[in-house]
Amino acid sequence: GQQLNQSPQSMFIQEGEDVSMNCTSSSIFNTWLWYKQDPGEGPVLLIALYKAGELTSNGRLTAQFGITRKDSFLNISASIPSDVGIYFCAGGTRTSGTYKYIFGTGTRLKVLA
Amino acid sequence: DTGVSQDPRHKITKRGQNVTFRCDPISEHNRLYWYRQTLGQGPEFLTYFQNEAQLEKSRLLSDRFSAERPKGSFSTLEIQRTEQGDSAMYLCASRTSGGHNEQFFGPGTRLTVL
Repeated sequence: GQQLNQSPQSMFIQEGEDVSMNCTSSSIFNTWLWYKQDPGEGPVLLIALYKAGELTSNGRLTAQFGITRKDSFLNISASIPSDVGIYFCAGGTRTSGTYKYIFGTGTRLKVLA
Repeated sequence: DTGVSQDPRHKITKRGQNVTFRCDPISEHNRLYWYRQTLGQGPEFLTYFQNEAQLEKSRLLSDRFSAERPKGSFSTLEIQRTEQGDSAMYLCASRTSGGHNEQFFGPGTRLTVL
């Protein structure tokens, strides 16, 4: 199935560092969602974006809806060990009357204490 | 409200057996989605319900797969004659109607086919 491109695929960072990741597509989306998934669990919604150019924060997390509507960015400031996990973006759009989400391939984050 | 729940959390079965998974969405969420997630990949769309109506099925959903949402509340996903390639995490998600398109996931059912 179709998956969005996420970059980087994985990253090791030191505790306290800022993290940036992005999600790109050739298609336009109306909604961008960012999730975090821990091993053996379902994805947990972090941030939802609804308008092109929108910048939204949730604690140390900030996400942006790209102006072209084809990309989105997630930043984590001052990372801590519990930020470890896989981060997924999801683009949402209505096709054939159904509102569907297409997920990215994930960014695996490891934080070194 | 305790969020989306799924049962069982883990299922180990032998090839050729039938399995059924259950999803209970967030109360009053009339949209329900099933996804499949394999190791190292993001969730892939399987099927979508609006109330009790199944409005779309992915090509990933072969004829061995069937999903129902008989009363527009909980949903079941059945896999008949399981194959080793069916081993994956099966995720359920729900959302409300209206302007906000936030989708919330359950904890998933991990299926292992031996």
